[in-house]
Amino acid sequence: AQRVTQPEKLLSVFKGAPVELKCNYSYSGSPELFWYVQYSRQRLQLLLRHISRESIKGFTADLNKGETSFHLKKPFAQEEDSAMYYCALHSGGSYIPTFGRGTSLIVHP
Amino acid sequence: GAGVSQTPSNKVTEKGKYVELRCDPISGHTALYWYRQSLGQGPEFLIYFQGTGAADDSGLPNDRFFAVRPEGSVSTLKIQRTERGDSAVYLCASSLTGQGRGNEQFFGPGTRLTVL
Repeated sequence: AQRVTQPEKLLSVFKGAPVELKCNYSYSGSPELFWYVQYSRQRLQLLLRHISRESIKGFTADLNKGETSFHLKKPFAQEEDSAMYYCALHSGGSYIPTFGRGTSLIVHP
Repeated sequence: GAGVSQTPSNKVTEKGKYVELRCDPISGHTALYWYRQSLGQGPEFLIYFQGTGAADDSGLPNDRFFAVRPEGSVSTLKIQRTERGDSAVYLCASSLTGQGRGNEQFFGPGTRLTVL
């Protein structure tokens, strides 16, 4: 069975500090990983996906198959980054994501 | 353009009652998904429609839950004999085709269901 683990329920940092939101997954095949974000009073939305190898709003995430991780990173956090972040896994051939429980990021001024 | 909409935004009901939750996907999106999100958890998959048919309903917890999408657009999630454990936010999402790697899902605002 596939599983996504986000070990931190809450991550609190100051503005300008680096941020790393951890995501580990278990899946025996070829995974497809995503990060979703939900800002206060807004709907859940896609932030980035590993196949695109893109940087969105300064965030990047690299798939590490050896460590089965897909950590989300940003070198300098901004207050507007405060939100709930969910890591999600699509197993190969499935379009149904398995979500982690989420990490609440709070960036203090 | 208009995003995914869900009605009602909040629903309070009593244990044992029947409820219907509605989802209006983005126009032209053939794939539609229902999720349930309990407090402190990530969204949990319930059912996936491709067009009018349920392509995957493996996430429905039991036979009290049923969903339809008769014309391939609007979908209704139906819960019979509601239980307090059904209380959660029910999310709907749609995507253009549902096929292919990385097909992006667009989420609605959710319906918060409270069963007293």
